[in-house]
Amino acid sequence: QQPVQSPQAVILREGEDAVINCSSSKALYSVHWYRQKHGEAPVFLMILLKGGEQKGHDKISASFNEKKQQSSLYLTASQLSYSGTYFCGTASGSNYKLTFGKGTLLTVNP
Amino acid sequence: DAGVIQSPRHEVTEMGQEVTLRCKPISGHDYLFWYRQTMMRGLELLIYFNNNVPIDDSGMPEDRFSAKMPNASFSTLKIQPSEPRDSAVYFCASSTRTGSNQPQHFGDGTRLSIL
Repeated sequence: QQPVQSPQAVILREGEDAVINCSSSKALYSVHWYRQKHGEAPVFLMILLKGGEQKGHDKISASFNEKKQQSSLYLTASQLSYSGTYFCGTASGSNYKLTFGKGTLLTVNP
Repeated sequence: DAGVIQSPRHEVTEMGQEVTLRCKPISGHDYLFWYRQTMMRGLELLIYFNNNVPIDDSGMPEDRFSAKMPNASFSTLKIQPSEPRDSAVYFCASSTRTGSNQPQHFGDGTRLSIL
């Protein structure tokens, strides 16, 4: 089943924070996060593996709650370059294919 | 290093024509994935290969779609005959090991329009 992302869209002013959630009805092994700008390919951000870890780079970080079968992506002090559609991709096993959510459109305005 | 290379970038053709999309994965990557992206359904996995062998083609919508990987550096996705509902952006991606715990690297995609 396709993971559910929320919100579907969010509009921020530069410097504001945002949280994007990804929930699955199945037990998860891993969660991937990608960002796609309009007309371009999805670009890998990070992977979180089973174990409830938290990861981050720059001002973008993510957490993975295995018990709740959900992951959250945190964008702090947003920049104009953060604009795009964010996708989570989930897998239920180490050899399983990814199933992507429908995406969250993030718009950062000056 | 070169990324995943897809061709053509854009394709416009008439219903009923055969369409062939091409992909060159990153050298050394064992896994190759074909995705289709539409507004309605999002990013859907069509088929993936491991070491040139198709592993899971359960996402291929119907018999009109076929995919091959004759060698480690080339794959094709073919639609014959094409229909307007096949219009979408088709992405190819590759990864070093199984996609679940390794990042997938996407090509720029082929924007397909069937008239």
